[in-house]
Order: sequence, then C-alpha cells, then structure tokens
Amino acid sequence: EDQVTQSPEALRLQEGESSSLNCSYTVSGLRGLFWYRQDPGKGPEFLFTLYSAGEEKEKERLKATLTKKESFLHITAPKPEDSATYLCAVQTGGYQKVTFGTGTKLQVIP
Amino acid sequence: DAGVTQSPTHLIKTRGQHVTLRCSPISGHKSVSWYQQVLGQGPQFIFQYYEKEERGRGNFPDRFSARQFPNYSSELNVNALLLGDSALYLCASSPGTSGGYQETQYFGPGTRLLVL
Repeated sequence: EDQVTQSPEALRLQEGESSSLNCSYTVSGLRGLFWYRQDPGKGPEFLFTLYSAGEEKEKERLKATLTKKESFLHITAPKPEDSATYLCAVQTGGYQKVTFGTGTKLQVIP
Repeated sequence: DAGVTQSPTHLIKTRGQHVTLRCSPISGHKSVSWYQQVLGQGPQFIFQYYEKEERGRGNFPDRFSARQFPNYSSELNVNALLLGDSALYLCASSPGTSGGYQETQYFGPGTRLLVL
C-alpha cells in the first residue's frame, strides 16, 4: 500500500528564517508527486507537480525538489502569509487515486 | 475563470439521514474526484469519475456513491449517515485529456458536513 509521511508535523519559524519540509514516500510506480497549500477550512491550493527524480520547481519563496524516495519543499525567507498547512501527495496507478500525507503545519511569526 | 465550485458550503445532518453534495469542475475539465478530509488529516480518496464512468474507488463503504453528469458536474451521495462521516468533503477536477494519468488536480473549497 502506498505510504506518504510528512515531517515535521508542525514548524514554527521567525519571519525570514529559511527551512525545509520533508515528504518521504513508499509507493510502487510513482506517476507524480504534488505539493499543495491549505488554509484552515479551505480546499488545498495547488503549488507544484514533480514527475521524476532530480526535478526541481520554484515559485516565489518556495522550491520543490524530488528524489527517488522523498521530496523537499524549501521555504526561503518566509513571511507570515506563508503560514498554512503544506500537503504532499503521490499519484500511482492508471487512474487518479492520489494518496496524501497528513501535512506540515507551518507558522511564520513576524 | 471560475475554479471548482461546490455546494452547499456547510451542512448539518442527523445520524441515519442521507446527503447529496454537488461539484462543478473547472470549465473544460472532464475528470472529477472526491475526497474526505477529517480534521487534522490529509484528504482521503473516495472516487474518480471520467467521462461519466467510475474510474477508481477508495476504501469507503457502499453507503458512499457518486455520479457524473453529461456537463461533467458531479454529485456525491452518502446514505445512512454516521457520526464519523463528519468531515470536509472536497471535489477536485483535472483536464482528463489522458484519463487523469499524471494530471494535476485542482480542488474546490469543500463542503463542511456535520453529523449530529
């Protein structure tokens, strides 16, 4: 069975203090790895899709990387508005079943 | 362009009742998936529909059913509600040009269901 583990569960950063979130996965046949941001009571907001090991994508203060066993979401000089839960998900198989991790709750303090 | 829309936004039901949740995908998207998100957990896959056919189903009981209409909108039905069905129900859509294979899903705001 596909497993996705995110760490840490919660992270508290000072504004401007860079850090990384980890997503490790155990799957058979990775088709894609996705990062989403979720604010309380709202639906997940798409950030990145990664398809193969070595791939990297950037958007503003965020950078996602992928290896054969894990993905990192690097946050450079975060701002309070980056506070949210960050979800990692993997797609395997021929249809669209996506398995999510439990998320990392990020709090950025001014 | 409008994103994925869901209705209603909030719903309160009692045990044993039935509920219908609705989803309209992004214009042009043909694939719709449903997820259940319990507080503090990641979303859990319930169904995927593509071109009005069920393409995948998660580990949910038969009380959960869904369908997709010719305009690609979708309904999720839950019968005989239990307290444990209280959750945020999320709908996601994708273009479906490859049947959903390796496609990014875009989520709606969700329907918050409370079962008393």
